[in-house]
This record gives sequence, structure tokens and C-alpha cells, in this order.
Amino acid sequence: AQRVTQPEKLLSVFKGAPVELKCNYSYSGSPELFWYVQYSRQRLQLLLRHISRESIKGFTADLNKGETSFHLKKPFAQEEDSAMYYCALSGYGGSQGNLIFGKGTKLSVKP
Amino acid sequence: DVKVTQSSRYLVKRTGEKVFLECVQDMDHENMFWYRQDPGLGLRLIYFSYDVKMKEKGDIPEGYSVSREKKERFSLILESASTNQTSMYLCASRVINYGYTFGSGTRLTVV
Repeated sequence: AQRVTQPEKLLSVFKGAPVELKCNYSYSGSPELFWYVQYSRQRLQLLLRHISRESIKGFTADLNKGETSFHLKKPFAQEEDSAMYYCALSGYGGSQGNLIFGKGTKLSVKP
Repeated sequence: DVKVTQSSRYLVKRTGEKVFLECVQDMDHENMFWYRQDPGLGLRLIYFSYDVKMKEKGDIPEGYSVSREKKERFSLILESASTNQTSMYLCASRVINYGYTFGSGTRLTVV
């Protein structure tokens, strides 16, 4: 079964501390992985996707196929990073291309 | 920038009413989606459409229907609103092999 698991509902860190939001997935094939972010009272927006291998707002995520994980990391958290983060996957072609979301992790960065 | 516009930001409806949620995208995308977003449950796919007059059920279609008469517009219909349909509803459109663009959401309260 296709599934995305984000084990933490809430993650609270202090400003300047490293942050890691965990994401594990289950998929029979080679999915594409995404991280989406939703800031307070804003729309859900794409943060990064694994195939682009880029760093956005200091965040990076590496796809580990052996551990079926796609954890989101940032070495030094900022208060403006406080938001809801969703990990998502999609396959390729037809309905396989639909996004499947995890339940989300709320990141709170304290001053 | 792709724009996905949801006609209402907040709606309050009575139990048993027929409710229409409208979504319009301006980039000629073929694929459109309706999700509901609930705390602790993440985003769950209600319906999606790959083309005009085409629709497919998502994971939680019960109590909902959709209409896609024009490529740019995808409507979600609650045939007889119930209190358990109180939620945030998100519309999205997609370019093939790219991420989704989301609307700002409609927060529906059924009383």
C-alpha cells in the first residue's frame, strides 16, 4: 500500500538549533517525493522535490531508498520557519501520479 | 505564476443544504484535485479530474460529487451537507510531472 508517515505531530525547537522533520514512505516502485509547507493563513506551497536536489530556505532533503525515508533538515532553525510541513509522494502516470500526503508535522521555532 | 482561485474563503451552511465549492485555475492545466484538510489527518483526496467532463473518485468521495464542464473550473458539490463535512477544502491543479499548485482554501462550517 502507498503510504507516507510523519511520526511527529509537533516538533518544537529553539532558534538556531538544527531541525529534522521525519518522513518515511511505503511505495512499490520509485516514487517522487515532495515537501510542502503551509505558513499561518497562507496557502500550501511546494518547498522542495527530491529530483531537483536543491536547497530552499536552507532546507534540504535526501531520498534514502534503503530506509524509504525523505527527512527534511535545516542546520539552524529560524522563527519564520514555524509552519505546518507535509511530506508527499507520487508515482508516475495516470492516477499513480496523484499526491499522497502524510498527516503533517507542525514545526514551532521558539526565540 | 499559476493561480488557483477558490471562490469563498469562509462558508457557513446548514445541515442538509446543497453546497457548491468553486475552483478556477488560469494556466490551462488538465489535472485538478479536491482535498480536505483536517488537523491530525493531513490532506485526503476527495475527487480528481484529468480532463473536461472526466472525474475519478479519490480516497474519501462519500457525500461528495464534482463537476468539470470547462477545463479551468472544477466544482465540488456536497449533496446534503452534514456536520462531519466541516473542514478546510483545498483545490489544486497540476502540470504533468511537476508539483501541485494549491488554492488558498475554503473553510466550510456546517451547523
